[in-house]
Amino acid sequence: QSALTQEASVSGTVGQKVTLSCTGNNYNIGSYDVGWYQQISQGAPKTMMSGDSLPSGIPDRFSASKSGTTASLTISGLQPEDEAEYFCSTWDYSLSGHVFGGGTKLTVL
Amino acid sequence: QVQLQESGPGLVKPSETLSLMCSVSGGAIDSASYYWSWIRHHPGKGLEWIGHIHYSGSTSYNSSLKSRVSISVDTSENHFSLKLTSVTVADTAVYYCARELNSLFDYWGRGTPVSVSS
Repeated sequence: QSALTQEASVSGTVGQKVTLSCTGNNYNIGSYDVGWYQQISQGAPKTMMSGDSLPSGIPDRFSASKSGTTASLTISGLQPEDEAEYFCSTWDYSLSGHVFGGGTKLTVL
Repeated sequence: QVQLQESGPGLVKPSETLSLMCSVSGGAIDSASYYWSWIRHHPGKGLEWIGHIHYSGSTSYNSSLKSRVSISVDTSENHFSLKLTSVTVADTAVYYCARELNSLFDYWGRGTPVSVSS
């Protein structure tokens, strides 16, 4: 069982806005920035958001936010190429290590 | 552009030691700002952090693997390495190396699949 909880699957149509969530506790999400990573067909993970910062080259339809112990990744204007699995991750000071969510499979209908 | 590249054997026998190397190009490994991590992805499961190292040699490991894991760094060769002892089939996974900045991963390697089988 993963330390961070994500929806198993989310779907949306092209152009739609979708939000993925990542829930933890005060030892992890409540205390540290959260990263979001995209993985397509078991390929190399790609960093989509670092905290609320958009890495160079990532489309600005991606955004992230956090409230308390829940982080969210929002895709505004879903595109077919956004279909992938998305993982969240952060540091956990009770475990003295990084923790990941179980991943959300995003399907673009 | 920073690039990371994993290398090592794709097949390891049970009870033996898994050894992987991550070569870093486009940036110096001996920057105080970064930690260098190993992460793995089991088939059909989520990502699992194995541990990380700072160029100074400071390490942290996943408590579930701590007794079997060792991560080292070679600043002269700009690479860092993973050793996982006494492997079992449960260690079969794709292994990734990644760079950390402020506890967030920014650059990842392409990953290398490792199978544990006799």
